[in-house]
Amino acid sequence: EPEVTQTPSHQVTQMGQEVILRCVPISNHLYFYWYRQILGQKVEFLVSFYNNEISEKSEIFDDQFSVERPDGSNFTLKIRSTKLEDSAMYFCASRGTGVGYTFGSGTRLTVV
Amino acid sequence: KNEVEQSPQNLTAQEGEFITINCSYSVGISALHWLQQHPGGGIVSLFMLSSGKKKHGRLIATINIQEKHSSLHITASHPRDSAVYICAVEKTSYDKVIFGPGTSLSVIP
Repeated sequence: EPEVTQTPSHQVTQMGQEVILRCVPISNHLYFYWYRQILGQKVEFLVSFYNNEISEKSEIFDDQFSVERPDGSNFTLKIRSTKLEDSAMYFCASRGTGVGYTFGSGTRLTVV
Repeated sequence: KNEVEQSPQNLTAQEGEFITINCSYSVGISALHWLQQHPGGGIVSLFMLSSGKKKHGRLIATINIQEKHSSLHITASHPRDSAVYICAVEKTSYDKVIFGPGTSLSVIP
């Protein structure tokens, strides 16, 4: 069964530092997503990405965030100047045409 | 008011019971997803629906587009079904998804 792979599984960073969360989507999927889940809260949409560009982003996804697909296989989420409230589980997901999501196992980000 | 609501919030069932989890939404959608979040945090997609009914093993999902309502049924529940079940609606195909708050299910042997 194809998988979406996320690295690292855990990341601890100092407030104000930049972090890059990495994802390898399923190879023949065309649609890519980042979501986050603050502890004890519901999952929230951050951004969708298709055809090498952002197709939609939420109000959470401000200038602090950026996404890239640098080499055709990896899909990254960069968070600049992290804040305490960025602490959350970040999920990457991908989709093929006409099918549901495949989620990665998540990166737990802790900002201290 | 949340755009996606689920009921009940928490559910405890005895092994073997028939379980129903409900989802109602207030926006126009292109599809509705049922997801399962394991205690360890991982999320698995169970169903994607735009009309009618789908069945996979002991799980059945239905949607009524006119009433903006979907249900997830679990027949012959088992302790391994214990998880959080999340309803999520897709407003525009392949773009933003709005997640419900989840229903926490515990199945007791």
